[in-house]
Amino acid sequence: AAGVIQSPRHLIKEKRETATLKCYPIPRHDTVYWYQQGPGQDPQFLISFYEKMQSDKGSIPDRFSAQQFSDYHSELNMSSLELGDSALYFCASSPGGAPYNEQFFGPGTRLTVL
Amino acid sequence: GNSVTQMEGPVTLSEEAFLTINCTYTATGYPSLFWYVQYPGEGLQLLLKATKADDKGSNKGFEATYRKETTSFHLEKGSVQVSDSAVYFCALSDEGNKLVFGAGTILRVKS
Repeated sequence: AAGVIQSPRHLIKEKRETATLKCYPIPRHDTVYWYQQGPGQDPQFLISFYEKMQSDKGSIPDRFSAQQFSDYHSELNMSSLELGDSALYFCASSPGGAPYNEQFFGPGTRLTVL
Repeated sequence: GNSVTQMEGPVTLSEEAFLTINCTYTATGYPSLFWYVQYPGEGLQLLLKATKADDKGSNKGFEATYRKETTSFHLEKGSVQVSDSAVYFCALSDEGNKLVFGAGTILRVKS
């Protein structure tokens, strides 16, 4: 079965650079979630989209922005990168906008900021 | 706000031992509850879930029961294997669907 695809899987950037992470949800899933997992930490919710509109926002820095496109893929744009942004970034998708839907996670993008 | 508390690890067990990882939650409304597993270097995989009180989620020998009266969702397995070694996250989702995770519990199973 098709799964959530994230690219790139690994990314190395310098401080103050920008990064773009991409997420391709499972076909027919119209809801996408982004989470950040720091080293040894639990995943923290960043932002979510339903039908191309932002549906919820968590602890996402102002330096980050995200959007969902017409084909439902999503991109997380990160600017003025800081050392503390080094983390594993997960994307998850779920079908429909109904509450309590199961989220299917991608393998994650490991971002390292030097 | 919503929160999840799970027992600290690491938990180290011998193969075929009984496993319990405690999880309690605080939430407004009626959340769904999940256990996710993360193997080294990999993403999060849903292990089991329960969407209402007294529901029992089960998968691969793991079980957890949604206890509203004690706000708990403890993970159990009768006989662990070395291949169960991983990090286990308890999580809840509310009507907004975002997941709130516990801190994770490292499980190490020795042969």
